[in-house]
Order: sequence, then C-alpha cells, then structure tokens
Amino acid sequence: DADVTQTPRNRITKTGKRIMLECSQTKGHDRMYWYRQDPGLGLRLIYYSFDVKDINKGEISDGYSVSRQAQAKFSLSLESAIPNQTALYFCATSDFAGNIQYFGAGTRLSVL
Amino acid sequence: GQQLNQSPQSMFIQEGEDVSMNCTSSSIFNTWLWYKQDPGEGPVLLIALYKAGELTSNGRLTAQFGITRKDSFLNISASIPSDVGIYFCAGLSYNTDKLIFGTGTRLQVFP
Repeated sequence: DADVTQTPRNRITKTGKRIMLECSQTKGHDRMYWYRQDPGLGLRLIYYSFDVKDINKGEISDGYSVSRQAQAKFSLSLESAIPNQTALYFCATSDFAGNIQYFGAGTRLSVL
Repeated sequence: GQQLNQSPQSMFIQEGEDVSMNCTSSSIFNTWLWYKQDPGEGPVLLIALYKAGELTSNGRLTAQFGITRKDSFLNISASIPSDVGIYFCAGLSYNTDKLIFGTGTRLQVFP
C-alpha cells in the first residue's frame, strides 16, 4: 500500500461547487503539505501543517482551505470551485527535519 | 512566489545519450533534492544533497551540490526509455522550512 494516499484520483466538478480532496499517510510524519501543479509552473505550495494544531498558508492559498483532522490526515477544500483551479493536486509529508518530502500519486481536478 | 530556474525546459534525446540539467537560485540553499515524476504519478525522490560540493550517484544518475550553494546539477548517463518523465529540483534554505521547486525538465527518450 502507498505511504501517502490521495482520494479521489480524478474529479470533475462544476463551477461553484464545494469539493474536498483527502490525503492520508502511514509514514508517521508530523508535517503535511498540499501543492498544485500546472504545466510549466512546477509545484506551488497551497497550505502546509507542521502538526495537528498548526496550519500555514503557502504561496497560493486564496480560494482554498484545509483541515488537519489527525496526524495522518490532511484535507484540502475548494469552497466554491472555479475553472482556473483545474490542475493536478499533490499531498506530501515529511519528518520534523522537513528536508525530504514524500508525495502521493495526485488528484487530477477539472472544474467546468 | 520564489521558484528556482531550471533548464532546459524540455529535452528530446535518443536512447543511449547522456543528459544534463541544472537549477540555479538567487538564494543560498543548504539542501538540494532531485525528484522524478512519471506520467500520472507523484514526484519520487532520486537524490538528496546536503553539503556544498557534494557529488552523489544513484545508478546512472549523478547529482552535484554547487560550490556557491546556489545551484545544482543532475546528469543521466546512457539514457533508456524508462527515463522519460519530468525531473524537478528542489531547494531548502537555512531560513525557511519550505521546499522551493524548480519548474521541471521534461525528458523524452526515443529508441
């Protein structure tokens, strides 16, 4: 089984809908991250959490929110999806040192 | 937001050729990482570098942490079709806990 699991793998939704992307990990890491990937732009950080009580905005947090339900679970929500949020979304985890991040397989989101 | 300059953006090479790509930054980093992303998958760590000047190999892959701490290089020798994918560099600086990613190098290998 994968150490970092993202669900769903693919999602198509309509403009204005609320959706949630989920991430769970079995690595026992405290730190979790959500990234967005667009062609030619690499990976951009949306939100990150260093422990259950810690939530921090990344460089592109507008239009997104997160919830750290437990050490192993970190979910990303789009309150009112818009077409320019169509992208590939990745969850990642790291230990306290934060040097190496381990990624999930990604969620491909299309907003129509 | 800050991103690393990674080049080239894409490469189309023939099987057996060697490949070189690099990342540069205006900031000093204390860690450089190289990831590979296969189509439809998340990035997977290839090599981690922790000291300026460090040269580390992983099979046919070799990466170096630049002496200035502002750049890193990845070389792939004798490329094969399964090397196809997107390669990302990432850097971690002394004064931040967040990785900064390069924009990626898309590698295509033709038989």
